[in-house]
Amino acid sequence: DGGITQSPKYLFRKEGQNVTLSCEQNLNHDAMYWYRQDPGQGLRLIYYSQIVNDFQKGDIAEGYSVSREKKESFPLTVTSAQKNPTAFYLCASSLTGQFSGNTIYFGEGSWLTVV
Amino acid sequence: GDSVTQMEGPVTLSEEAFLTINCTYTATGYPSLFWYVQYPGEGLQLLLKATKADDKGSNKGFEATYRKETTSFHLEKGSVQVSDSAVYFCALSDQSFQKLVFGTGTRLLVSP
Repeated sequence: DGGITQSPKYLFRKEGQNVTLSCEQNLNHDAMYWYRQDPGQGLRLIYYSQIVNDFQKGDIAEGYSVSREKKESFPLTVTSAQKNPTAFYLCASSLTGQFSGNTIYFGEGSWLTVV
Repeated sequence: GDSVTQMEGPVTLSEEAFLTINCTYTATGYPSLFWYVQYPGEGLQLLLKATKADDKGSNKGFEATYRKETTSFHLEKGSVQVSDSAVYFCALSDQSFQKLVFGTGTRLLVSP
């Protein structure tokens, strides 16, 4: 089945450690995104990528890094510079282009807890 | 910049009650509008969308109409079920790129 796969579902990290969240899609979408969700709040955009080997910062990129070496993969690294990394992380993708009606599809999310 | 404002929750209803969740937006140009639903511990699922003024999106008994004159996209359902309990997010996509701008979400609790 086509979709977006995020792993791991749950992750615990010690302070000062980097951690990488995986996101893979087999929808043949050009665009991919990472959002962060804090309890009781909306989603905030961390990074997005319109095409392979290109990505842009979103609204809260500090302390995060990404890569887009393959069309189907968009991993997110939460670095030790991120001051408050405990959150629910959502990966998403969409067909790119100039059509504003394109739908963005989400993965199941990854829970990151810093201990 | 673009923004979305949703009514604060939680919204608590009895089964078979009528549901309205208000959503208004601020945007330049002509954004597309979306409602997403999030069940506990899960990612977001697209519920419905509308891409131009006066369009009505509908799915699973939910409806929302794109009102440009009032910059609104209110979500409605005639008869809610316990299984509709979730968090509902209103969102718009900007025309410059396909990123979504989300509201803060509205939690719906439906009791039997």
